[in-house]
Amino acid sequence: DAGVIQSPRHEVTEMGQEVTLRCKLISGHNSLFWYRQTMMRGLELLIYFNNNVPIDDSGMPEDRFSAKMPNASFSTLKIQPSEPRDSAVYFCASSLRSGRRDGYTFGSGTRLTVV
Amino acid sequence: RKEVEQDPGPFNVPEGATVAFNCTYSNSASQSFFWYRQDCRKEPKLLMSVYSSGNEDGRFTAQLNRASQYISLLIRDSKLSDSATYLCVVTLDSSYKLIFGSGTRLLVRP
Repeated sequence: DAGVIQSPRHEVTEMGQEVTLRCKLISGHNSLFWYRQTMMRGLELLIYFNNNVPIDDSGMPEDRFSAKMPNASFSTLKIQPSEPRDSAVYFCASSLRSGRRDGYTFGSGTRLTVV
Repeated sequence: RKEVEQDPGPFNVPEGATVAFNCTYSNSASQSFFWYRQDCRKEPKLLMSVYSSGNEDGRFTAQLNRASQYISLLIRDSKLSDSATYLCVVTLDSSYKLIFGSGTRLLVRP
């Protein structure tokens, strides 16, 4: 099993540009989570999907952020237009919903720098 | 008040020491509890789940006190490789939405 795969690993972009982060879930997992981590705020849940349906997007900072799950194994997080305060590490994680003791498996993250 | 609170540390201990981390959570409806470990510039990884009866995995022992809404992690005979940030995590109901504490940093010195 290749685990949760995120791309790109690093992204440097100029303010105002569109950024798209990608995530491939572990095969068979049906829950997908996007987190953002900064020194100041720690790990924050942005949005989560269950069976491709967005369940909770209350953590999405503002309309510049959008997330999609076009199929059961893939998701994108888009920021348009990007701003310097969006600089952070973005993690996606997947899990099996069944089984109360299951934790999540995180991808390696995308380190985003907006200059 | 934060939903999950941890002492940020750092805890600086010599090899072989025993160290304990504490965590409190605010929502009494929290259902599942975990400790995650995060190395510098890496993703969080599940260290262990925390069960009501307490559980042990080698040198690591986790305890849960629902009445006090308190979780602990004990590391015995600490190794240099234990140096990392330890994240206390809870979930509410059956949504599996993980709520992370800000983490406790551990530095184990030779």
